Amino acid sequence: NAGVTQTPKFRVLKTGQSMTLLCAQDMNHEYMYWYRQDPGMGLRLIHYSVGEGTTAKGEVPDGYNVSRLKKQNFLLGLESAAPSQTSVYFCASNNVIAGGGDEQYFGPGTRLTVT
Amino acid sequence: QQQVKQSPQSLIVQKGGISIINCAYENTAFDYFPWYQQFPGKGPALLIAIRPDVSEKKEGRFTISFNKSAKQFSLHIMDSQPGDSATYFCAASLPSGYSTLTFGKGTMLLVSP
Repeated sequence: NAGVTQTPKFRVLKTGQSMTLLCAQDMNHEYMYWYRQDPGMGLRLIHYSVGEGTTAKGEVPDGYNVSRLKKQNFLLGLESAAPSQTSVYFCASNNVIAGGGDEQYFGPGTRLTVT
Repeated sequence: QQQVKQSPQSLIVQKGGISIINCAYENTAFDYFPWYQQFPGKGPALLIAIRPDVSEKKEGRFTISFNKSAKQFSLHIMDSQPGDSATYFCAASLPSGYSTLTFGKGTMLLVSP
């Protein structure tokens, strides 16, 4: 049981390049999330998905797109990378109990640098 | 508008001491308040969580104190150990059908030997 895995672990991009970050979970969770973590800013939600084929915007969605074609995978895309997207990206997943609130399981993160 | 305010940004505590991290929230509809612990190079992991129907929850050396009227909650780490050195995030979520968490900005805790 690998939990939540993220690919790649590190990446350096030039401004304007595109890339896709892959998140995979083997816990059969319905809900998946993408966050970015910046120094002094905490974790900010980019996009999330409440089930296969569904996505929704979080707090900071601009410049990113996502897809959830399979229940176990959640992809985060950067179409035209900008230096402001230099960050550590975390994927998380969970199942939500009745009334909301349930542990989110986080992946190990992807450190992205845009030059 | 930041909905969950966390303080302090950083904290140094001697081994055996008590570490206290505070959070304040604005939205009275929040009804789930977790704390996450993150070690360098790792993803955050749930440490302890509380709902507003209780004022305190204790798990080992970790305690959440919750003050609904003041809209504040805090994490207390008793007998702090060097292995507790990490970044701690408080968070809050609404009682909707899916739990999107709003995180505080984090506190870097260093427990000196």
